[in-house]
Amino acid sequence: AIQLTQSPSSLSASVGDRITITCRASQVLSSALAWYQHKPGRAPKLLIYDASNLESGVPSRFSGSATGTDFTLTISSLQPEDFATYYCQQFNTYPLTFGGGTKVEIK
Amino acid sequence: QVQLQESGPGLVRPSQTLSLTCGVSGESITSGKSYWTWIRQRPGKGLEWIGYIYYSATTHYNPSLKSRVTISLDTSQNQFSLRLNSVTAADTAIYYCARDRDEYNYRGIDSWGQGTLVTVSS
Repeated sequence: AIQLTQSPSSLSASVGDRITITCRASQVLSSALAWYQHKPGRAPKLLIYDASNLESGVPSRFSGSATGTDFTLTISSLQPEDFATYYCQQFNTYPLTFGGGTKVEIK
Repeated sequence: QVQLQESGPGLVRPSQTLSLTCGVSGESITSGKSYWTWIRQRPGKGLEWIGYIYYSATTHYNPSLKSRVTISLDTSQNQFSLRLNSVTAADTAIYYCARDRDEYNYRGIDSWGQGTLVTVSS
């Protein structure tokens, strides 16, 4: 199975900060990777699909990119509603797998 | 707007079978546009993909659960189901049903149920 390693596992940031979360795949994925935001008590929300495509309705401060087996999620200016846990997921190979998550907390 | 809703017991005894159903509205589960998916989150852990079923009844399961899991379709009710046999406390989790969208080969899970907590305990 493809392993997805997210870093950092947690981070503290302030409103207005630019943050980047990395998801490293254990093998080549093409661009078949998505990012989700997950808040406690809520269902996860799709943010990015195919590594860099913004899901409809998602604010443009979210962006995704890929270089080889490294994928990044960037939030250009952190907003209060962005404090959550973020997960990557690959669709290249079965079984589909998620990264371990990155918890974004308020500094 | 696709909506999904899980239903089923919140408490299952060890060694018994966990059974959940996901009702779908806004899309026919036979549309061929989606993979109907189950995902879980154990306490304090991340998301875990359990598997999916396609309209053709093709299934893919997580190998870690494959010997115990079955996902099936009920086209008459526009719903799909999860059965997990021989459960233990390690199967205690929030279970989500979801739609894995396949548009022009771009995949993403864009619709989720609210999640249902299933506790395995005697």
